[in-house]
Amino acid sequence: KQEVTQIPAALSVPEGENLVLNCSFTDSAIYNLQWFRQDPGKGLTSLLLIQSSQREQTSGRLNASLDKSSGRSTLYIAASQPGDSATYLCAVKGDGPLRSGGYNKLIFGAGTRLAVHP
Amino acid sequence: GAGVSQSPSNKVTEKGKDVELRCDPISGHTALYWYRQSLGQGLEFLIYFQGNSAPDKSGLPSDRFSAERTGGSVSTLTIQRTQQEDSAVYLCASSLFDTGLTRLNYGYTFGSGTRLTVV
Repeated sequence: KQEVTQIPAALSVPEGENLVLNCSFTDSAIYNLQWFRQDPGKGLTSLLLIQSSQREQTSGRLNASLDKSSGRSTLYIAASQPGDSATYLCAVKGDGPLRSGGYNKLIFGAGTRLAVHP
Repeated sequence: GAGVSQSPSNKVTEKGKDVELRCDPISGHTALYWYRQSLGQGLEFLIYFQGNSAPDKSGLPSDRFSAERTGGSVSTLTIQRTQQEDSAVYLCASSLFDTGLTRLNYGYTFGSGTRLTVV
């Protein structure tokens, strides 16, 4: 059964720092991995999607890497800003119903709660 | 539509009443998912639709929960005889296409959710 773990659970940093958020998954047979951002009381905003055949994706100050064989992904945030404060969620999509224990659903980690202070 | 639309955005109901939550996915998206997020918790999968059928409804917590999808578009999640533990944010997501039998890789787009409070 796929399990997704995110470390750290919470992070507080001063503005301007470069950050690394970690995501690990137990079953390397995945279709893709997606990073989301969730603001308090709001839904999820997709940040980056990495296909199973890709190693990384970049969008602005965000860079996500994927090492499928070791079951890890990192989200790198450069030059953090107070507006980056949110919960960041990692989710993997399993490779078929028999191996993932479910049918194509995204399996989420519990998230990393990030606070960037001025 | 341009995004995934959910209604109502907030719902307060009395214990024992039935509620219906609506999700209008992105036009053309054949896959639709319902998730639940309780206070301070991660996202919990409820049910997945491909077209109008539900290949995976394993996450529905009890027989008080049901969902349907019509015309391959709008979906309704119904909770009967609501209990206080049903209080959560119910999130809907859609994806372009999803069968599990091919290696298509499409991301999910989530709606803003319905915050359900059972008093």
